[in-house]
Amino acid sequence: KQEVTQIPAALSVPEGENLVLNCSFTDSAIYNLQWFRQDPGKGLTSLLLIQSSQREQTSGRLNASLDKSSGRSTLYIAASQPGDSATYLCAVRGDSSYKLIFGSGTRLLVRP
Amino acid sequence: EAGVAQSPRYKIIEKRQSVAFWCNPISGHATLYWYQQILGQGPKLLIQFQNNGVVDDSQLPKDRFSAERLKGVDSTLKIQPAKLEDSAVYLCASSTDLGFGQYFGPGTRLTVT
Repeated sequence: KQEVTQIPAALSVPEGENLVLNCSFTDSAIYNLQWFRQDPGKGLTSLLLIQSSQREQTSGRLNASLDKSSGRSTLYIAASQPGDSATYLCAVRGDSSYKLIFGSGTRLLVRP
Repeated sequence: EAGVAQSPRYKIIEKRQSVAFWCNPISGHATLYWYQQILGQGPKLLIQFQNNGVVDDSQLPKDRFSAERLKGVDSTLKIQPAKLEDSAVYLCASSTDLGFGQYFGPGTRLTVT
C-alpha cells in the first residue's frame, strides 16, 4: 500500500530565503508525482507534475526533483516571498491506478 | 474557462443528521472525483466517476455515504447519518479523462456537532 510522507509538517522562514520541501513515498512503482499548493479556504492548485521517466521540472522560482528509486521528491522554492505562504502537498499516482495518494502537506509561512 | 463549482461552501449540522454536497465540474470533463480532507491531513479519494459510471469507490464508507452522477455532468455526495468524525473539507475535482491532470473546486467545509 502506497504511503506518502512530507517533512517538515510546518516551516517558517524569512522572506528571501531559498527552501526545500521533502516528500517520500514507499512504493517506487509510480506513474507520476505532483506538487500542489493549497491556500486557506480554497481548493488545490497544481504547481508541477513530474512523470516517472523525468528527473525534474521547473516553473519560475519552483523546481521539483524526483528520485524514483529512493522514493523521494523535493520542491525547491527560490527567493521565497510572503505570497508563497500556503500548504504544499505532494501526491503520487501509481502505475496501475488512476488514484492520487496525497501526503499530509507542509505548511509554509514566509515572514516579511 | 469556469472552474469546478461546489456548494454549499460551509455547512454545520448535528450528528445523525443528513447532508448533501453538490459539484459541477469543468465543462467537458469526463472524470469527477470526491475527496475528504480532514484537518491536518492530505485529501483522501472517496469516489471516482468516469461519465456516469463509478471507477473506484473502495474508500467510500458505503453504510453512510452515497454519491451519484446521473447525467455524467454534475454530482452530489450525501452523508446519512453524519458522525462527528465526518467533520472535514469535501473537495470535488475533475479531469478531461482518466489519468489526466485534476482541477479542484474550493471545497465544502462540514462541521458535525
